[in-house]
Amino acid sequence: SQQGEEDPQALSIQEGENATMNCSYKTSINNLQWYRQNSGRGLVHLILIRSNEREKHSGRLRVTLDTSKKSSSLLITASRAADTASYFCATGNSGNTPLVFGKGTRLSVIA
Amino acid sequence: NAGVTQTPKFQVLKTGQSMTLQCAQDMNHNSMYWYRQDPGMGLRLIYYSASEGTTDKGEVPNGYNVSRLNKREFSLRLESAAPSQTSVYFCASGQGITGELFFGEGSRLTVL
Repeated sequence: SQQGEEDPQALSIQEGENATMNCSYKTSINNLQWYRQNSGRGLVHLILIRSNEREKHSGRLRVTLDTSKKSSSLLITASRAADTASYFCATGNSGNTPLVFGKGTRLSVIA
Repeated sequence: NAGVTQTPKFQVLKTGQSMTLQCAQDMNHNSMYWYRQDPGMGLRLIYYSASEGTTDKGEVPNGYNVSRLNKREFSLRLESAAPSQTSVYFCASGQGITGELFFGEGSRLTVL
């Protein structure tokens, strides 16, 4: 069953605005990852944050992790039409089992 | 550098037919995975191979078999396809079991 649950399921914003997606999970993790999937394509890894990290940046992406609340957020700043995609969180669990993916957030950036 | 290559990209089967999805990676990764993606369900793990010579069931293994042919190749076989197996199948590979994954472009399977 899914470990991570993204919120919202769908998000529509104007180009230039910031987009925030959230992920909640249930069990202890050793890392949390975010992936992007363009329509009809495979998933692409965006960023990994370890359980002992609280925030990480990569270009226009900012990821936070709150292990006490078992939640993470992905912020995309100054969104572009090319950011239109589905975004998935995936948790790497402490028991050395494979990543478990959430159901994703579908982001639409309108030019 | 091709990364993860899946074949075929599209396939239509009749109920009861069999087929094998092929996956190969050229990144010397230890772990390989097969996921299925259905609308509203996210990605669900079918089988994985943590290293050459080992395979393990994931969340939804029923109706599937896998073979880790060598370090590069991991195939998924449907012995008797059912309409419920209509889905998009993704192969992925990674160095460690909880590390970054690299995905193929997907294989779109329709079972009539």
